[in-house]
Amino acid sequence: DAMVIQNPRYQVTQFGKPVTLSCSQTLNHNVMYWYQQKSSQAPKLLFHYYDKDFNNEADTPDNFQSRRPNTSFCFLDIRSPGLGDAAMYLCATSREGGFTYEQYFGPGTRLTVT
Amino acid sequence: TQLLEQSPQFLSIQEGENLTVYCNSSSVFSSLQWYRQEPGEGPVLLVTVVTGGEVKKLKRLTFQFGDARKDSSLHITAAQPGDTGLYLCAGELRVSGGYQKVTFGTGTKLQVIP
Repeated sequence: DAMVIQNPRYQVTQFGKPVTLSCSQTLNHNVMYWYQQKSSQAPKLLFHYYDKDFNNEADTPDNFQSRRPNTSFCFLDIRSPGLGDAAMYLCATSREGGFTYEQYFGPGTRLTVT
Repeated sequence: TQLLEQSPQFLSIQEGENLTVYCNSSSVFSSLQWYRQEPGEGPVLLVTVVTGGEVKKLKRLTFQFGDARKDSSLHITAAQPGDTGLYLCAGELRVSGGYQKVTFGTGTKLQVIP
């Protein structure tokens, strides 16, 4: 089945220690998103890739970076995690060219910062 | 300023009761999606509404898009414990450059008690 996969599902890192979260998709969608979600709040968009074009939200901290080496994979790098970065990180994809931008989400990675 | 406001924010009801969740905005959306998110998982798309006044049904769930495409509602008939989760609306706005920006609502956390 076509899907969005996130690894790992749970990640523990230390304060200030760089961490990378990964996302892969078999949907062949050209748009990929990274969201941060805290305790039952709405997902907050960090950035997205439209093909290879990177689009950063204005309020996304510089501490958060992303890479998309190819259509299928996207990475979220947190250079120096703080306690406030503990959250669920969601990857999503959508297909440009369709009538709507329905998003397909992965199961998320729950990040704990100690 | 939150573009999409959902109400209520929290809802706890008994199995078998009916409920309605509202998603309101002052902006006109080209389309609107509803997602359900279960604890520890990513949001799952339930429906997309596109036309003003459109009504879509998904088993016991009825979705309506406002005539002016600024608001939407989700009605659940005879709620079941399996309906428990976080319900999110997401509106698509056309922005400059032809890109469509998706904005999530504030979320409604539903608990259905057996």
